[in-house]
Amino acid sequence: GQQLNQSPQSMFIQEGEDVSMNCTSSSIFNTWLWYKQEPGEGPVLLIALYKAGELTSNGRLTAQFGITRKDSFLNISASIPSDVGIYFCAGQNYGQNFVFGPGTRLSVLP
Amino acid sequence: DSGVTQTPKHLITATGQRVTLRCSPRSGDLSVYWYQQSLDQGLQFLIQYYNGEERAKGNILERFSAQQFPDLHSELNLSSLELGDSALYFCASSPTRGFTEAFFGQGTRLTVV
Repeated sequence: GQQLNQSPQSMFIQEGEDVSMNCTSSSIFNTWLWYKQEPGEGPVLLIALYKAGELTSNGRLTAQFGITRKDSFLNISASIPSDVGIYFCAGQNYGQNFVFGPGTRLSVLP
Repeated sequence: DSGVTQTPKHLITATGQRVTLRCSPRSGDLSVYWYQQSLDQGLQFLIQYYNGEERAKGNILERFSAQQFPDLHSELNLSSLELGDSALYFCASSPTRGFTEAFFGQGTRLTVV
């Protein structure tokens, strides 16, 4: 079946630093979603992307739909302690179910 | 609070047993999705119901079954439980057939001992 890879698997950064993570697939997708999951909670949708090359922001978060349609990127600017959590990407091709990546675990050091 | 309610929050049971997980969707949502999240894994799609009918099926084991009732709440039944079934089980709901508008519940943590 379809598989998504996310990198890095985990990252430790200093408060105030910018963060970049990505998600890659061997298949083409027509929709990409980015979620954040905090301990004891369900995933929360951060950004949805529907078109190749699309760049969408949500506050300090910016995500891009890769032009090859096989990857997506999430950037967080000026990180703060509450950015801690696991960030998941999910991709979908037409008529198929969404596939989730294994996640990037972000830790922010004060 | 996403508005999606899952009960119980935690469940510990023995191998071979059967359990039922319950999900109450957000008011007005017609779709319910079930996902399994094992330790350090992404979410694995199990099944989707829309307005009482099964709409999509993922990697759901034959030992697992689900249904959506007329009041739109859903139950996930897990039987002949094995140690490997220990996981977080999430329910999500959305107003339409599409997943992009879905909100997740807080999950049920199942531990099989």
